[in-house]
Amino acid sequence: QQQVKQSPQSLIVQKGGISIINCAYENTAFDYFPWYQQFPGKGPALLIAIRPDVSEKKEGRFTISFNKSAKQFSLHIMDSQPGDSATYFCAASVSGSARQLTFGSGTQLTVLP
Amino acid sequence: NAGVTQTPKFRILKIGQSMTLQCAQDMNHNYMYWYRQDPGMGLKLIYYSVGAGITDKGEVPNGYNVSRSTTEDFPLRLELAAPSQTSVYFCASSYSPGVPNNEQFFGPGTRLTVL
Repeated sequence: QQQVKQSPQSLIVQKGGISIINCAYENTAFDYFPWYQQFPGKGPALLIAIRPDVSEKKEGRFTISFNKSAKQFSLHIMDSQPGDSATYFCAASVSGSARQLTFGSGTQLTVLP
Repeated sequence: NAGVTQTPKFRILKIGQSMTLQCAQDMNHNYMYWYRQDPGMGLKLIYYSVGAGITDKGEVPNGYNVSRSTTEDFPLRLELAAPSQTSVYFCASSYSPGVPNNEQFFGPGTRLTVL
């Protein structure tokens, strides 16, 4: 049973545009929600993360919006650049249990120059 | 620091063969993980370890075995390779509990094909 659903599967955005990727979760015990960025041939790397006690977190051009009541969170990439072209994964974990991450299925982002 | 290293980068196995995927980290992390990544499916946890001598199953452990004799190393063993194990395998590590944001650091992956 997939516990974190991610959409869209792929996304094409013009340079300078806003990229938005959405995730929804089922397990209300999740208390940590990271986003990972993966370039071709590389392992995923942490981009930004949020806890459910805040509704938004911003780091540079990247923002996570979190809606606890709807059990949804999203990644917004402002002023998208060709260098942002990568696969993005949302994930979630529960305190304890070795912080096992449950990943979404991924979104392949292409930013056109 | 080299971070998380994995060997080999690529491997082709025949059905029924065995192999060990190597993973090492030099960050003195307590936790280590093995994931497999299939197209369009995200990453699935195979096994994890919270310290030397302690391992546990993840979401998709069938067909795999692990051991953790040292803090640094966490090898993944495939005993009887099957085509369904064709995938990209990632090892990851993270710091000990008590750290608020337990970021997982990933290795570069091993691409395995079973024919």
